Amino acid sequence: GAVVSQHPSRVICKSGTSVKIECRSLDFQATTMFWYRQFPKQSLMLMATSNEGSKATYEQGVEKDKFLINHASLTLSTLTVTSAHPEDSSFYICSARDSGGDSNEQFFGPGTRLTVL
Amino acid sequence: GQNIDQPTEMTATEGAIVQINCTYQTSGFNGLFWYQQHAGEAPTFLSYNVLDGLEEKGRFSSFLSRSKGYSYLLLKELQMKDSASYLCAVMDSNYQLIWGAGTKLIIKP
Repeated sequence: GAVVSQHPSRVICKSGTSVKIECRSLDFQATTMFWYRQFPKQSLMLMATSNEGSKATYEQGVEKDKFLINHASLTLSTLTVTSAHPEDSSFYICSARDSGGDSNEQFFGPGTRLTVL
Repeated sequence: GQNIDQPTEMTATEGAIVQINCTYQTSGFNGLFWYQQHAGEAPTFLSYNVLDGLEEKGRFSSFLSRSKGYSYLLLKELQMKDSASYLCAVMDSNYQLIWGAGTKLIIKP
C-alpha cells in the first residue's frame, strides 16, 4: 500500500528557532500534498495544500511567511515553522494523494509532535 | 458554508455493535471518508463511499446516502482496541477534504 513518512516524529525546540518537517511519499508520486495541524482533542485543520513545482495554497488565517512550504519533487514536501513560539506547539500531519491512482484517498504520514519551549 | 456533523463521544460495550453517524453540507461532493485516529497518532483510512449504499469491510461497514447528506460507520464485534476517534471527512468539488470534529468512541469491558 501507499506509504507516507514524516521526519522527525518528535521535536522540542526553543522559542525563536525554526523547525523543518519533511513529508515523503515512499512508493508513489504525489503532485499534491497537504499539511494539517491538530491541537489536542480537536479535529484536523488544513493549513495548506502543497503543489509540486508551484507555490503552496494557504488556508485563511495561516501565515505563509511563518509556515514555509516547499514541494520540490514528486515525493517530498517540507514544512518549516519559522521563529517558532509556544503557541505553535501542535501535532503536524501531512498527507499525500497518489498522482497515478484512481482514488481520491489521501495517505497520511505518522505526524510530527512539535513542542516549543 | 460547509459543515460536517458527528457526535462528540459515544460509549459501547466490548462485543457489541455501534453506529457512528455523520451528516454533511458541502459545496459539491466527491466522496466521503472515514478515518480512525488513536490518541497521539495520525489518522488511518477505514473506508471511502462515493455511491449510495453500504460498503462492508470485515467488522467495519460504511453507508452513504447522498440525497440525505448522511453517512454512518458501523462497527461490529467491538474490541477494546477499537477505542479511538472516528473522523468523517467529505471531499468537496475542489477535491479538498472537509473534516468533522471526530467522534470519540469509548469501549467498556
